[in-house]
Formats: sequence, structure tokens, C-alpha cells
Amino acid sequence: AQSVAQPEDQVNVAEGNPLTVKCTYSVSGNPYLFWYVQYPNRGLQFLLKYITGDNLVKGSYGFEAEFNKSQTSFHLKKPSALVSDSALYFCAVREGRYYGGSQGNLIFGKGTKLSVKP
Amino acid sequence: ETGVTQSPTHLIKTRGQQVTLRCSSQSGHNTVSWYQQALGQGPQFIFQYYREEENGRGNFPPRFSGLQFPNYSSELNVNALELDDSALYLCASSLVTSGGNEQYFGPGTRLTVT
Repeated sequence: AQSVAQPEDQVNVAEGNPLTVKCTYSVSGNPYLFWYVQYPNRGLQFLLKYITGDNLVKGSYGFEAEFNKSQTSFHLKKPSALVSDSALYFCAVREGRYYGGSQGNLIFGKGTKLSVKP
Repeated sequence: ETGVTQSPTHLIKTRGQQVTLRCSSQSGHNTVSWYQQALGQGPQFIFQYYREEENGRGNFPPRFSGLQFPNYSSELNVNALELDDSALYLCASSLVTSGGNEQYFGPGTRLTVT
């Protein structure tokens, strides 16, 4: 069965410092991996995805993520955090063989709350 | 903004009642998925519609049902509401051409069942 783990409920970072939000996954085939961000009272906003190719993926707002197949991880990173980055971050996985249908839809982690202090 | 809209924003219902939530997909998208996000949890997949037919369902009972219309708008219907149905309901639209396409989410409908 597919699953996603986000081991940290909350990550605290000082503004200007680098940030990392961790994600590990489990799928039986090739993973399609996604990061979404959720601001209060808002829906989820797409940040970036890994499908194939270069293990370092760049996304919106200066975020990037590194796919590591051997460690089954897809950690979200940003070199310099902003106060406005404070939000709830979700990692999601889909098994790459399918699209559509219940096996093709996203499995989300529980989310990590990122708090960036001035 | 994603171009996916949902209505209403908030809703309060009584246990046992029925509710209909609505979603308008992003222009050009042919697939809509519905998710339930309980407080403090990640979204959980309810079902997906493609070309007006359900083509996948998560671990939700039959009292959760849906429709997709020719203009790709969609409805989520929940019968016999239970207290545990209180959650944020999210719809997401996508263009299914390959498994790598991301889904675009609406702002959600907050359902409270009392």
C-alpha cells in the first residue's frame, strides 16, 4: 500500500536560515511525488513535483526538493526562509503506473507546520 | 489562485441530514477529485470523476456520492450525515493525460455536523 510519512509535526526556522521539511514515502512502483502548501482557510497550492529525471526539482517561491530513491525520501528545501513561508506543508505520492482511479490519486502525509520567525 | 471554485464556503448541518457541495473545475480540466481533510490531518481521497463517470473511490461508504457535469463542474453529496463527517472538503481538478499531472485545489468547503 502507498503511504507518506512526514516525521515532524512542526519545523521552526529563523528568517534567512535554510529550511528543510522531511518526507518519506512507500509505493510498490515508481513514485510520482508532490509538495503542496496550505495557508490558513485556503486550499492546497501546488509547489513542485518529481516525475522522472534530475533528482533535484525546483518549484515555486524558491522551493526545491531532492528525490532520493535509496532512502525513499523527497525532502523540501529552501536556502533562505521568509516569514511569509509560514504555513502547512504536505507531501503527497502517487504510484507512477496509474493515473486516474483510486490507485492514481494522491496519498498525503499528515502535514508539517512551518514557522519562520523574524 | 487556481481557478477552481467551491461553494458554499461554510456549512452547518445536523446529524442525519443530507448535504450537497459544489465545485467548478479549472478551465480545460477533464477530471475532478474530492478529498476530505479532517482537522490536523492530510487530505484523504474520496473519489474521482472523469468524463462524468466515477473512476476511482477511496475508503468511503456509499452515502458519499458525486456527479460530474458536461461542463466539468461537480457535486459531492453526503447522506445521513454523521458527526465524523465534519471536515474541510476539497475538490481538485486536473487534465488527465499522464500520471504526472498535478491537481489544482479549490479553497474548500468547511462542513460542521452537530
